[in-house]
Amino acid sequence: DAGVIQSPRHEVTEMGQEVTLRCKPISGHDYLFWYRQTMMRGLELLIYFNNNVPIDDSGMPEDRFSAKMPNASFSTLKIQPSEPRDSAVYFCASTKAGETQYFGPGTRLLVL
Amino acid sequence: DAKTTQPPSMDCAEGRAANLPCNHSTISGNEYVYWYRQIHSQGPQYIIHGLKNNETNEMASLIITEDRKSSTLILPHATLRDTAVYYCIVRVAFNTGNQFYFGTGTSLTVIP
Repeated sequence: DAGVIQSPRHEVTEMGQEVTLRCKPISGHDYLFWYRQTMMRGLELLIYFNNNVPIDDSGMPEDRFSAKMPNASFSTLKIQPSEPRDSAVYFCASTKAGETQYFGPGTRLLVL
Repeated sequence: DAKTTQPPSMDCAEGRAANLPCNHSTISGNEYVYWYRQIHSQGPQYIIHGLKNNETNEMASLIITEDRKSSTLILPHATLRDTAVYYCIVRVAFNTGNQFYFGTGTSLTVIP
């Protein structure tokens, strides 16, 4: 299995632009998680899905952030409009039946 | 609420055993202890997990105290490639699924 796939691996954008991060979970996994990691706050859970349905989005910082999972093999995290404080590494993880989480390589986002 | 406490950093000589402690004094009876590590901003990598009994796999051993309030991850023969941040995590079960609570981790440096 290729593991969790994320794209792009790096993104540099200007403040105010829309950013879309993508994730392909491991085939057969029914949970998908989005995390954000910064030096100041460490690894934070943003939102997670079960069978493509958002279960808990209490970690989403504000309305500028949105996430979707249109099918079992694809999810997006969108930031619109982006701000410099959104600069971080964003990780996607998936798991089967809520067991061990497997993480993707992350997307390093820099908002200028 | 990270639910775990770890020392911020540790050193270990190459070839020696690395023993990484973790306190999780508020853990509940059905909550698992997981260990992950993160090498230089790569995605967190699963190492091992356990509930009550000690566990061993090809990467490490996990020793959980009888009262389950603390645990120790043991890397039997540390190599330079084991230099990473090690996270001790409690997996909490909710009706809607399991959540992983990442703390600040222990930065392990393996010294030649």
